[in-house]
Amino acid sequence: DQQVKQNSPSLSVQEGRISILNCDYTNSMFDYFLWYKKYPAEGPTFLISISSIKDKNEDGRFTVFLNKSAKHLSLHIVPSQPGDSAVYFCAAQNSNTGFQKLVFGTGTRLLVSP
Amino acid sequence: EPEVTQTPSHQVTQMGQEVILRCVPISNHLYFYWYRQILGQKVEFLVSFYNNEISEKSEIFDDQFSVERPDGSNFTLKIRSTKLEDSAMYFCASSEGRHYEQYFGPGTRLTVT
Repeated sequence: DQQVKQNSPSLSVQEGRISILNCDYTNSMFDYFLWYKKYPAEGPTFLISISSIKDKNEDGRFTVFLNKSAKHLSLHIVPSQPGDSAVYFCAAQNSNTGFQKLVFGTGTRLLVSP
Repeated sequence: EPEVTQTPSHQVTQMGQEVILRCVPISNHLYFYWYRQILGQKVEFLVSFYNNEISEKSEIFDDQFSVERPDGSNFTLKIRSTKLEDSAMYFCASSEGRHYEQYFGPGTRLTVT
C-alpha cells in the first residue's frame, strides 16, 4: 500500500535556511492532508493541515503547499532551527467516505545543523 | 495544553498472552483511534471509535483485537493471544470531529517474546 509516499528518507539543512519536505500521493480521493513531526520515543505531533480546496496554508514558520494536479504536497520550514530536527510524516484522508483514517507516508528525517 | 496520555509506556508480554493498552483522549474530543508502527515501517491505522462503537477498522484489526471505552475518560485496546508480529509502538489518537486533525499520545511500546 503506497498511497502516500515520501521519497526522501532524510534531509540535512543548515540553521536559518529553508527546509522543504515533499510528499506524493496516488489516491485522487484524498482531500485533506496533514503534516506531523515525530521525535524518538514520542507520538506524532500535529503541525499543519490543508484541505484540497486550498493550495496553500501558513502557520508561523510552517507553510504547506498542495498541487492537486500533480498529487503533490510540500512542507516549507523557514527559517529552520535545530529544534526542528525530527522525522516528518505527511498523512492523507478521504473525508468523502465519512471515514477518518489517516494514511501515512514513510517519513523524512530532517537534520538541522547549527 | 490538553494532551492524549497512554499507559503503560512499555509492555513486555509472552506470546499467547492478552494485553490491554490504555489511553485517555483529550476530554472534549469525540473520535478516538488506534494506530501502530512496527519498527522501521509506516504508522498504520487500526481502528476508529465514535459514539461507543467502531466506525472504521483496517484489515489488520481482526478478531484478535477489540476496543472499549469503559468509562467517560479511558479508551482501551485489547489484544488477545498476542503474536510475535504484534510487537510495535501503539499510538492512541483523538479528534474533535470526524475531519479534524488527530492528536496522538506518546505511544506504548509492546514487545512480545
